[in-house]
Amino acid sequence: DQQVKQNSPSLSVQEGRISILNCDYTNSMFDYFLWYKKYPAEGPTFLISISSIKDKNEDGRFTVFLNKSAKHLSLHIVPSQPGDSAVYFCAAQLRGSNYKLTFGKGTLLTVNP
Amino acid sequence: GAVVSQHPSRVICKSGTSVKIECRSLDFQATTMFWYRQFPKQSLMLMATSNEGSKATYEQGVEKDKFLINHASLTLSTLTVTSAHPEDSSFYICSARGWGATSLEQYFGPGTRLTVT
Repeated sequence: DQQVKQNSPSLSVQEGRISILNCDYTNSMFDYFLWYKKYPAEGPTFLISISSIKDKNEDGRFTVFLNKSAKHLSLHIVPSQPGDSAVYFCAAQLRGSNYKLTFGKGTLLTVNP
Repeated sequence: GAVVSQHPSRVICKSGTSVKIECRSLDFQATTMFWYRQFPKQSLMLMATSNEGSKATYEQGVEKDKFLINHASLTLSTLTVTSAHPEDSSFYICSARGWGATSLEQYFGPGTRLTVT
């Protein structure tokens, strides 16, 4: 039973345009959501996060939106750059779980020059 | 951010042998380390949570006798895959968090590619 779902395995975007990566979750007890970027044969690197008490968090070109009623979050990257090409994982943390993260399957973003 | 290293980055072993993977926090003391496994095109699956000086807590379905985890110091955790079989071939990644860390501060190692022949 996958509690964090990224239904798009891949996304292709033109350089300069907006990339929108989506993530859905089923467990309403998740209290923190994080996005990680991962290159092949490397560990994930933290990108941006959002607490469940907020609906938006912005950091430079990256913005994460949270819709709790829909149990949905999205990562917006604008403008997209070729260096953004990577696999993006959505992760969720359960309240009181000793900081364990539950990951989605990831979305491969390709930004074309 | 803080640095977490893993060694080796790649290992090939024969079926039936044991393999040890090290995870080190290089510039901070890691009170908690997490071990994940990732199969191709799949998500990172948490295998176990390891707190320094205590026994690891394994996720459901993970055999504790097969995947031995030791977190003997604040900078080192090891994962030993015992009696490895081809189905254990995977990408193993550790992460670490330190004292007083917020949810953000979980740093991942570069991963270890294990191939069992």
